[in-house]
Amino acid sequence: AQKITQTQPGMFVQEKEAVTLDCTYDTSDQSYGLFWYKQPSSGEMIFLIYQGSYDEQNATEGRYSLNFQKARKSANLVISASQLGDSAMYFCAMREVMTGNQFYFGTGTSLTVIP
Amino acid sequence: DSGVTQTPKHLITATGQRVTLRCSPRSGDLSVYWYQQSLDQGLQFLIQYYNGEERAKGNILERFSAQQFPDLHSELNLSSLELGDSALYFCASSVESYNEQFFGPGTRLTVL
Repeated sequence: AQKITQTQPGMFVQEKEAVTLDCTYDTSDQSYGLFWYKQPSSGEMIFLIYQGSYDEQNATEGRYSLNFQKARKSANLVISASQLGDSAMYFCAMREVMTGNQFYFGTGTSLTVIP
Repeated sequence: DSGVTQTPKHLITATGQRVTLRCSPRSGDLSVYWYQQSLDQGLQFLIQYYNGEERAKGNILERFSAQQFPDLHSELNLSSLELGDSALYFCASSVESYNEQFFGPGTRLTVL
């Protein structure tokens, strides 16, 4: 089974609107971390946001927030007030303690912001 | 700029050859990770080092090896190269094993 599933290969959003990128994960570990990364066309991977499995509150970083629903094993990324510069690939990742802190990445979602 | 440096940026070589990719982590980071990103396989975790010791192993082929040196820089050695090894190889670093990782710009390897 896939550790991280991103079911939206491509998404479009109007500039200034909010968008939600879906991510579900699969683990039996109690201690894990969830991450989102952005990869623009230039190729670099940029860390966006982190949520620990024991964190009660949803993580927020500026216009990014992580909608963490532990029982549903989902960790969706919400980008508010989309900007043209948000057009990129977005990867969800999980660090799992029981596998020695291995990181698992999803296949990514390509987001295009339309002016 | 993440603070992680990787050299070279691009590498073109032939099948059967051996190459070495180099990574310098951010100042203060003890953990180094290597990833392979190809179009058909996505981003695959290869191996992690923490303060010179191997910490976790992912989908790393036996033809590939890595090490982390006392100054914390790391090298990924790829040998007996095949066409399918053509990919973008990322190095990432973090303070500890569980923190967010900061990625280098990547080395694009083309095997002809």
